[in-house]
Parts: sequence; C-alpha cells; structure tokens
Amino acid sequence: AQSVTQLDSQVPVFEEAPVELRCNYSSSVSVYLFWYVQYPNQGLQLLLKYLSGSTLVKGINGFEAEFNKSQTSFHLRKPSVHISDTAEYFCAVSAPSGGSYIPTFGRGTSLIVHP
Amino acid sequence: DAGVIQSPRHEVTEMGQEVTLRCKPISGHDYLFWYRQTMMRGLELLIYFNNNVPIDDSGMPEDRFSAKMPNASFSTLKIQPSEPRDSAVYFCASTTSPRGAFFGQGTRLTVV
Repeated sequence: AQSVTQLDSQVPVFEEAPVELRCNYSSSVSVYLFWYVQYPNQGLQLLLKYLSGSTLVKGINGFEAEFNKSQTSFHLRKPSVHISDTAEYFCAVSAPSGGSYIPTFGRGTSLIVHP
Repeated sequence: DAGVIQSPRHEVTEMGQEVTLRCKPISGHDYLFWYRQTMMRGLELLIYFNNNVPIDDSGMPEDRFSAKMPNASFSTLKIQPSEPRDSAVYFCASTTSPRGAFFGQGTRLTVV
C-alpha cells in the first residue's frame, strides 16, 4: 500500500515570496503523483500531475513540482505567491491496486499568504 | 460538462435521522469515489465504484453507512441512523483513468 506524508501542516509566507510545500511518498511500485488545491468551502481542484516523462511538471496558477524518485518526493513550488494562493494543498499518490489506481491523499498543507 | 455535481451542499439533521447524499459524476467517467473530510482524519476514502460496481468499501466506517450506484450517472451515500460524529464534509469524485480525479463541491453534513 502507498502512503503520503506532507511534512508541514501550515506554511505562512509573505506575498511575492517563493514557497515550497513538501511531499514525500512511499510505495513499492511505480506511482502517479498529484497536487490538488482546495479553496475555502470548495472541492479539490487538480493543480498538476506527474505520470511519466520529465520530472519537472508545470501546473496551473504558476505552480510547478519536481518528482525525485531517489528521495521519493514530489515538492510543490511557486516563485512568487499571491494573496489568492491562500488555500489548502493536498499531495496525492496513485498506484496500481487490483487493476485500479486509487488516490491516497496526504493530510494537507495550509498555505497562508500575508500581505 | 458541469463537472461532478453533489447535492445538497449543506445538510443539518438530528441524531438518529436518515441522511442521503447524492452525486452525479462526469459523463463517461467509469470510476466514482466517496471521500469524507474531517479536521481530525483528513480525507478518507469511504468506497469506490468501477462501472457502477462497488469495488472496495473497506473505508466505510460502520454498517450505518451504505452506498449505491444504480446507474452510470447517479450515486448515493446513505447514513442511517446518523450520529453527531458523522459530521463532516463528504466529497464525491469521478475519473476515467488514473490521470487524476475530479471532485464535486462537497456536502457539509452537520448532525445535531
């Protein structure tokens, strides 16, 4: 079975500063990796995904993530954050299980952007 | 497509009452998931369906919880009888591949 660890429950940062949200996973097989964003009172929205190929993945809203197989990490980065990026961010891993790929989510990281 | 549609968005009910949450997945998607989100436990997978068939319901907390998918465009999650500890946000998600799931807006359930 796979698992996901998001190392920070809360990340405060000032507007226009860079940010990195950390995610580590464990799995005995090849995985797909995802980042989702959840704004208050909303559902989860897919930010970006790694399926194969280039380890640097670009997503919506200027976010990117890098897959590092040796470190089993998939950290999310943005060079300059906006107030509107304040939200909950979830890392998820998906691995084959009985022919299905069921996503497992981390506990989430609350990104708080201060003016 | 309108995305995954859940109803109601908010539900307040008294302990002991039956609660039914509804979900319409995106047309053409053959996987449907029900998740529960709480502060204490985060996002938990309750059950998932493939081609309308329940595949894994090991996440369903108790026999009070049941889920059905009578056709490809509709699923329900029922709690009977409801208890205060069932208060949470319940999400439905659908996908057609392992390339990422699409979530509904969620139903915020409050059991008093």
